[in-house]
Amino acid sequence: DQQVKQNSPSLSVQEGRISILNCDYTNSMFDYFLWYKKYPAEGPTFLISISSIKDKNEDGRFTVFLNKSAKHLSLHIVPSQPGDSAVYFCAASGAGTASKLTFGTGTRLQVTL
Amino acid sequence: GAGVSQSPSNKVTEKGKDVELRCDPISGHTALYWYRQRLGQGLEFLIYFQGNSAPDKSGLPSDRFSAERTGESVSTLTIQRTQQEDSAVYLCASSLAGGSNYGYTFGSGTRLTVV
Repeated sequence: DQQVKQNSPSLSVQEGRISILNCDYTNSMFDYFLWYKKYPAEGPTFLISISSIKDKNEDGRFTVFLNKSAKHLSLHIVPSQPGDSAVYFCAASGAGTASKLTFGTGTRLQVTL
Repeated sequence: GAGVSQSPSNKVTEKGKDVELRCDPISGHTALYWYRQRLGQGLEFLIYFQGNSAPDKSGLPSDRFSAERTGESVSTLTIQRTQQEDSAVYLCASSLAGGSNYGYTFGSGTRLTVV
């Protein structure tokens, strides 16, 4: 039962353009969402998060949008840079599971020159 | 240490053997988590330690899997009688306190290959 879904396994974007990574979830109890970035042979690193009381959180080039009614969140990266090429994981937690993150399967982003 | 340290970084073992994976969390981090990532899949929760509380073992896939943690320091994940489906990258993470809002810091993982 995949409670957090990232339906696009890969995405290719030109440098300077916007990258949009999508994530859907099924558990209505989730109330906190995070994005992690992973380079090969390294552990995931925290990128940005959003609480369910918000619909947008921005940090520099990275913005996360949350649509609770659609159970959908997205990560926007603008402008995209070659160093952004990595696998991006969406994760969620909620009441009763606050200590455990449920991760999606990841989206591999390739930023081309 | 400065980060979460895991050892070994790679482990190849024969089916049926036992393996032990080690995690050194960031000093002062009371919460410690084990996840694994099998090929083409997301990160799968295994077990969570928080201080002196009883660990949350709800993610362990079978009784061949066990984990221990000494106080708020090192943790070991043991897999007995390994099977090929145990092949995965095993990731350890720690955080200042239980609760994802604090963010996890992950180690680089142990890549386990069962042949």
